[in-house]
Amino acid sequence: KNQVEQSPQSLIILEGKNCTLQCNYTVSPFSNLRWYKQDTGRGPVSLTIMTFSENTKSNGRYTATLDADTKQSSLHITASQLSDSASYICVVSAGTGGFKTIFGAGTRLFVKA
Amino acid sequence: NAGVTQTPKFQVLKTGQSMTLQCAQDMNHNSMYWYRQDPGMGLRLIYYSASEGTTDKGEVPNGYNVSRLNKREFSLRLESAAPSQTSVYFCASKERPNYEQYFGPGTRLTVT
Repeated sequence: KNQVEQSPQSLIILEGKNCTLQCNYTVSPFSNLRWYKQDTGRGPVSLTIMTFSENTKSNGRYTATLDADTKQSSLHITASQLSDSASYICVVSAGTGGFKTIFGAGTRLFVKA
Repeated sequence: NAGVTQTPKFQVLKTGQSMTLQCAQDMNHNSMYWYRQDPGMGLRLIYYSASEGTTDKGEVPNGYNVSRLNKREFSLRLESAAPSQTSVYFCASKERPNYEQYFGPGTRLTVT
């Protein structure tokens, strides 16, 4: 069964600290993996996308890694800011056309001053 | 360029009432999608339209119908609302299957 599991469920960190969010998936055949940021009351917004051959992708203070062998991905946030408080969703697309998309339940990040 | 817009933002229905959620995109995307988001769960696909004139069921289509009115608009209809349909509904669009997906702001629906 195609699944995407994220950990931790929620996380509280102090402003300025780094953190890493995890995503494990059992999706086959793998097409690509995205990380989305979802602010409260808004729709998700894409942060990064990685295909099978990519093992790292950065977007400002966000760095995503992908290990296709172990089917794991992580999102590292550097020097966190209050505006990073949001849910972070790992999304894996399957199949050659990428029509089958499986969403993780998300990690809720709280950044405190 | 507004991206993906949805109306209404909030709605409260009584069990058995019907309503239509509207979605429009101005990015000339071919594919459009309707998802629901429930606490503790990932977004689940209700219906999608790979291109104008086509619609297909997703993971949780029961109790819903859709219409791809034209390339811009994709509506979701609840014919007889049930409390289990209380959720946040997101519309999304993308140009092609492996391209970035853009989401609307969501509709928060409560069925009492």
